[in-house]
Amino acid sequence: AQKITQTQPGMFVQEKEAVTLDCTYDTSDPSYGLFWYKQPSSGEMIFLIYQGSYDQQNATEGRYSLNFQKARKSANLVISASQLGDSAMYFCAMLTGGGNKLTFGTGTQLKVEL
Amino acid sequence: KAGVTQTPRYLIKTRGQQVTLSCSPISGHRSVSWYQQTPGQGLQFLFEYFSETQRNKGNFPGRFSGRQFSNSRSEMNVSTLELGDSALYLCASSLAVGGSYTDTQYFGPGTRLTVL
Repeated sequence: AQKITQTQPGMFVQEKEAVTLDCTYDTSDPSYGLFWYKQPSSGEMIFLIYQGSYDQQNATEGRYSLNFQKARKSANLVISASQLGDSAMYFCAMLTGGGNKLTFGTGTQLKVEL
Repeated sequence: KAGVTQTPRYLIKTRGQQVTLSCSPISGHRSVSWYQQTPGQGLQFLFEYFSETQRNKGNFPGRFSGRQFSNSRSEMNVSTLELGDSALYLCASSLAVGGSYTDTQYFGPGTRLTVL
């Protein structure tokens, strides 16, 4: 069975600072994908970044980067230069070879302060 | 390119009624998945449809069903509504080509269902 653990229910960060949101995963499948989504209070889930289990380099997308440590089974999201609009719930999720069934963590509520 | 659309956005029903939610995927996307989000249970996978066939199913009772049409649009139906069915229902679409673990899902805005 697949499992995603996000241990930070809430995080605060000052505007323009960097922040790291933690995610650890568990799967026995050697092929998997890790995803981060942002969910503002409006409810829509916005895809941010993807990392595949065989990718040699950490994924980056603009201000988002994924710190992928395969041996530790962690896939932390780093947001650089935080903005007020980054305040939202962030979910880590995993896909394995068993079809399009995303397994989600419990999420981290991020608040960016002035 | 238009994103995933879901209708209606908000719905209020009473116990025992049934409801149908609709999802239109991104053009060219062949897979549609449905998720239920509640404060207590978090995000849970309901089912996935690909080429009009249910390809995966989560651990939900038979009151929850779905279908996919030839244009990839999908509907989900919940019969005999219970108070616990109050949730945000999210639909996601993906290209469904290549290895499934690389298949990025793009979500719609959700339908917020309240059961009274």
